[in-house]
Amino acid sequence: QQQVKQSPQSLIVQKGGISIINCAYENTAFDYFPWYQQFPGKGPALLIAIRPDVSEKKEGRFTISFNKSAKQFSLHIMDSQPGDSATYFCAASKDGGATNKLIFGTGTLLAVQP
Amino acid sequence: DAGVIQSPRHEVTEMGQEVTLRCKPISGHDYLFWYRQTMMRGLELLIYFNNNVPIDDSGMPEDRFSAKMPNASFSTLKIQPSEPRDSAVYFCASSLGPMNTEAFFGQGTRLTVV
Repeated sequence: QQQVKQSPQSLIVQKGGISIINCAYENTAFDYFPWYQQFPGKGPALLIAIRPDVSEKKEGRFTISFNKSAKQFSLHIMDSQPGDSATYFCAASKDGGATNKLIFGTGTLLAVQP
Repeated sequence: DAGVIQSPRHEVTEMGQEVTLRCKPISGHDYLFWYRQTMMRGLELLIYFNNNVPIDDSGMPEDRFSAKMPNASFSTLKIQPSEPRDSAVYFCASSLGPMNTEAFFGQGTRLTVV
């Protein structure tokens, strides 16, 4: 049973455009929602994270939007750049963001065309 | 610190052979995780250790998989005998603690079983 569903599987965006990746979760006990970025040949690395007490978190060009009632959250990349081309994973965890309880989505391969 | 170090980076083996993947976590990190990444299932947690002790191995797919952590700076994931469906990228990650901390991933081992 997949507890975190991620879409789309792949995404092509033009340079300067907005990239949007969506995730939906089922377990209402989740209380920590990170996004990980993975470049080819590298391991995933934490990009940005949000907790359910806020509806939005912004760090530079990256924004997480969180909808608790819909049990959905999304990553927005503004002014997308070719260097943003990577695989993005959403994840969810409970018990205060326990790393031993992270559930990952299946990933979105983002290609930003110059 | 050099980060989480995994070896080998690539492994090609024949079906039925034993495969051993190695991991050196970040010094001082108390938690170590083994993940498997496939296109179909994304990132799956196989097992994690706390202070060298296996805590949860419910993600280990079969008895053919085993993991050890003989000391704070070394862990292995062994598959014996290996099968083609074990082909995947295996990641090791470590974190400073279970709560409110980031999981740092290694670069992964790409395993191909032919």
